[in-house]
Amino acid sequence: DIQMTQSPSSLSASVGDTVTITCQASQDISNYLNWYQQKPGKAPKLLIYDASNLETGVPSRFSGSGSETDFTFTIRSLQPEDTATYYCQHYDDLPYTFGLGTKVEI
Amino acid sequence: QVQLVESGGGLVKPGGSLRLSCTASGFTFSDFYMSWIRQSPGKGLEWLSYISGFSTIIHYADSVRGRFTISRDNAKKSLYLQMDSLRAEDTAVYYCARNWNYFDFWGPGTLLTVSS
Repeated sequence: DIQMTQSPSSLSASVGDTVTITCQASQDISNYLNWYQQKPGKAPKLLIYDASNLETGVPSRFSGSGSETDFTFTIRSLQPEDTATYYCQHYDDLPYTFGLGTKVEI
Repeated sequence: QVQLVESGGGLVKPGGSLRLSCTASGFTFSDFYMSWIRQSPGKGLEWLSYISGFSTIIHYADSVRGRFTISRDNAKKSLYLQMDSLRAEDTAVYYCARNWNYFDFWGPGTLLTVSS
């Protein structure tokens, strides 16, 4: 199975800050990487697909980049409603696997 | 708008069985693969299984292969997960999700607790 290693596991930032989360795959997954946001008690929500494509309706302050094994997720101009846990997920091969998440507190 | 709603969770004893359902609306159900994904505190998010639009392609994670069975009824716009030989480690919130190369819509989830 492909392992997805996310870091940091948690972070605290202020409104207006830029935060960056990294996700490292245990092998080359090309750009087959998605990012999700999950708020407490809710299902995950797709934010970024194919490493860098913004899902429809998602604010442009969210962005993703990377390829092969190293990926980055960035939130610019952090807003109070961005408090959540963020997960990466690959779809290069089965089983699809997720990172363990990064909890973002504001 | 796309909606997915799971049902059927509850408390089951180890070794027991349960069937989860997921009812879809707002899209042409048969056009899409569908997946089951679970989330437990100990293991995070775990993809379990997917099924193609007309049930011709099915895959399972190793952790549930042979114990869980995914199926769908396109006429009822419903997805199912038959879970047998349940174990304590199957305790989790179970989500159904519309599946492309990403999971673009998720249900709110249903909680399964396996305990004696």
